[in-house]
Amino acid sequence: QITLKESGPTLVKPTQTLTLTCTFSGFSLSTSGVGVGWIRQPPGKALEWLALIYWDDNERYSPSLKTRLTITMDSSKNQVVLTMTNMDPVDTATYYCAHRDVAVAGAFDYWGQGTLVTVSS
Amino acid sequence: SFELIQPLSVSVAPGQTARITCGGNNIGSKNVHWYQQKPGQAPVLLIYKDSKRPSGIPERVSGSNSGNTATLTISRAQAGDEADYHCQLWDINTGVFGTGTKVTVL
Repeated sequence: QITLKESGPTLVKPTQTLTLTCTFSGFSLSTSGVGVGWIRQPPGKALEWLALIYWDDNERYSPSLKTRLTITMDSSKNQVVLTMTNMDPVDTATYYCAHRDVAVAGAFDYWGQGTLVTVSS
Repeated sequence: SFELIQPLSVSVAPGQTARITCGGNNIGSKNVHWYQQKPGQAPVLLIYKDSKRPSGIPERVSGSNSGNTATLTISRAQAGDEADYHCQLWDINTGVFGTGTKVTVL
């Protein structure tokens, strides 16, 4: 059974750096074709893809946020970490991590419950 | 950047068919995935690779993709189908989500 869970601060101040951790179980990030991605959703708005890390440690980023994002993985701990610098109130959103698999043509087939991050002074 | 446009809302009567479109430039050449999201919950994968259903998704949910439009079809709509629906694809190595559609079962 695949599960993912996001953790991190619920409140950050403008200009601060956000660090979110995705802790997963039920799969290995060393398995070929597997990835973990981050997606966010501002209140009442659409989903926005942020970043993805593959089993081979390759990283992909949203072009519009690339300069602010870093995604890393610790396979031994079954964790993926996303950092976002220079946070702004417009970054207030629920942040999700999700499992991606080539077996489903690269769709996100398992999602965490999400964590709401508010950016405010 | 690649854009996916969905209608803001779709209404359907119980027992009828709801069709939700996802428009994008030559989207038919890409694999489109669909997610259902109920209030306060994470998205759930409904359809992958245009028309394939993960295990547990009923046959009354189907998808198609051709030209500049992908379509999610929900037949015999039920109250439990009220949710937001999102299309998604990969444009080279960039993930793209649609603008989202709220489905109301009247």
